[in-house]
Amino acid sequence: QVYLVQSGAEVAKPGASVKVSCKTSGYIFTTNYMHWVRQAPGQGLEWMGCLNPKSGDTHYAQNFQGRVTMTRDTSSNTAFMELTRLKSDDTAVYYCGRSLYSGSYNWFDPWGQGTLVTVSS
Amino acid sequence: EIVLTQSPATLSLSPGERASLSCRASQTVGDNLAWYQQKPGQAPRLLIHDASIRATGIPARFSGSGSGTDFTLTISSLEPGDFAVYHCQQRSDRPPVYTFGQGTKLEIK
Repeated sequence: QVYLVQSGAEVAKPGASVKVSCKTSGYIFTTNYMHWVRQAPGQGLEWMGCLNPKSGDTHYAQNFQGRVTMTRDTSSNTAFMELTRLKSDDTAVYYCGRSLYSGSYNWFDPWGQGTLVTVSS
Repeated sequence: EIVLTQSPATLSLSPGERASLSCRASQTVGDNLAWYQQKPGQAPRLLIHDASIRATGIPARFSGSGSGTDFTLTISSLEPGDFAVYHCQQRSDRPPVYTFGQGTKLEIK
């Protein structure tokens, strides 16, 4: 069984940074891309980017270029997403999602449970 | 950027009824479309990918159809656990770009 377990809720001030982790188990971590998606309160889903855990290569959505960094630690099978220069409208639940099939971006299955990030002074 | 428009925003039906949810793309996406189900307080769950392929463990009452710009998610006979928000998603691979529709809330009538 594949599991993605995310770190706990965070509260951060405007202008600060937050780093969310996604610890995986049940599969070979380096074979499937990891995606990050966020959902603001009462809103839809927004793709932030993806990471190739084998090479460390990343692709970021244009909306987040320059503010997001996705990394991984292959020794602990964990992916990370760091968002900098936080604004109040970054308040959202952040999800990691594994690519369904190995070797390409494709679809997201399964997902982590989500991490609520609240940006407030 | 490809925009996905879902309709209706809210659909009110009763258990046992048939549900049809629409997703329209602003330009063709071929069959590169997926559907996700999201229940309150939970992460989304993949239902359908590549427009019509059911994900593992998804009941046969869920089906997806369409290609190009017009897609439909059909639930043949609603069960109580099907009332949730449904999101469509498209992808392009070179480079990877994903967009979601704004969601359709399926509620009990």
